[in-house]
Amino acid sequence: GENVEQHPSTLSVQEGDSAVIKCTYSDSASNYFPWYKQELGKGPQLIIDIRSNVGEKKDQRIAVTLNKTAKHFSLHITETQPEDSAVYFCAAFRNTGNQFYFGTGTSLTVIP
Amino acid sequence: GAVVSQHPSWVICKSGTSVKIECRSLDFQATTMFWYRQFPKQSLMLMATSNEGSKATYEQGVEKDKFLINHASLTLSTLTVTSAHPEDSSFYICSASQGTSEQYFGPGTRLTVT
Repeated sequence: GENVEQHPSTLSVQEGDSAVIKCTYSDSASNYFPWYKQELGKGPQLIIDIRSNVGEKKDQRIAVTLNKTAKHFSLHITETQPEDSAVYFCAAFRNTGNQFYFGTGTSLTVIP
Repeated sequence: GAVVSQHPSWVICKSGTSVKIECRSLDFQATTMFWYRQFPKQSLMLMATSNEGSKATYEQGVEKDKFLINHASLTLSTLTVTSAHPEDSSFYICSASQGTSEQYFGPGTRLTVT
């Protein structure tokens, strides 16, 4: 099956700096890669996603890059703000099996 | 759009009793719903996948007689934790899909078994 690894497990940045979280996956058949933000005591919220036919996608301060050959994808948050502090999960999905495989999460703290 | 609700948001029950958690897709029809369990500071663990009108498919190690899942309509799935024990205390999260790859998550239900 699929194996998704996520690094780092914790990340602290100064407000205004950039944050980068990286994930690798093992199954070359995975074709959809969402990123979720989870605040304490709440469910995950989709913040950005990318499909395997695209190399990069950007939405304001958030961007995701995908390297299919190397089987890794990354979340980039620029101009970080305290409200970006949360746990971020990456996931990989393939149509066959209809199942998400989640990374282990990254706890991001933005220091004012 | 794509809003998923869960009820209750938190529940405390005594050991040996059963608890039902509801998951609803509010503005779309969910052909597939997923139930996850999450322990503190850990990732989401898929418990089961349910398709409307069909029996749920449980992940290895998840007791189907203990965690009863019903997906009776395209907007509602329920998870019943039967004969709950303290080790069942956890954060339970559902998600819903319209048959595409996107999943929309509910806000979660905090279960505490005393």
